[in-house]
Amino acid sequence: GAGVSQSPRYKVAKRGQDVALRCDPISGHVSLFWYQQALGQGPEFLTYFQNEAQLDKSGLPSDRFFAERPEGSVSTLKIQRTQQEDSAVYLCASSRGLSYNEQFFGPGTRLTVL
Amino acid sequence: ILNVEQSPQSLHVQEGDSTNFTCSFPSSNFYALHWYRWETAKSPEALFVMTLNGDEKKKGRISATLNTKEGYSYLYIKGSQPEDSATYLCALGINSGNTPLVFGKGTRLSVIA
Repeated sequence: GAGVSQSPRYKVAKRGQDVALRCDPISGHVSLFWYQQALGQGPEFLTYFQNEAQLDKSGLPSDRFFAERPEGSVSTLKIQRTQQEDSAVYLCASSRGLSYNEQFFGPGTRLTVL
Repeated sequence: ILNVEQSPQSLHVQEGDSTNFTCSFPSSNFYALHWYRWETAKSPEALFVMTLNGDEKKKGRISATLNTKEGYSYLYIKGSQPEDSATYLCALGINSGNTPLVFGKGTRLSVIA
């Protein structure tokens, strides 16, 4: 079956530009997570949704970052006025939300801010 | 801040060698331990989820063990092959259900033919 997909796979932005990253989770998965992986680091939590509700956004690094999942399926992570420190791989994961919380990941979007 | 440590950071082995690496975590913050394999330009792939002290899981040539009392997990690869080259990520789940995972930095494995 189809896994988690993300688009675009690669994005180059000029500093100050706004970007939008899309995640299509596995059909029927109620939970959706966004992680940021900077160079040399492990993935770090940004935010997560249960259906359309954003239950935790404590990992968003600044108010320039905004995520939504209006119909409880596709999610978009938006970064306004991008800065060089936003350069990273942005991973999306979805899960059924059951015990052990097995998360299925997309291939990520590699964002480079020049 | 919850810290998940992985070692070594990177590893080069010859084809056919067996290898292992470590994930350590605070034993007081534990619900489940996840191992993922992440090949370049692909999605991280779940290898194992372990919850019980003493758990051992195996998938082909790859196996993992878990010690929740002392806070570590080992991942073993027997007879490494070039296709095993990837970053192996360990992640801690501190609660059941819908909670974020806390990742280590990963171990980058290169298997030389």
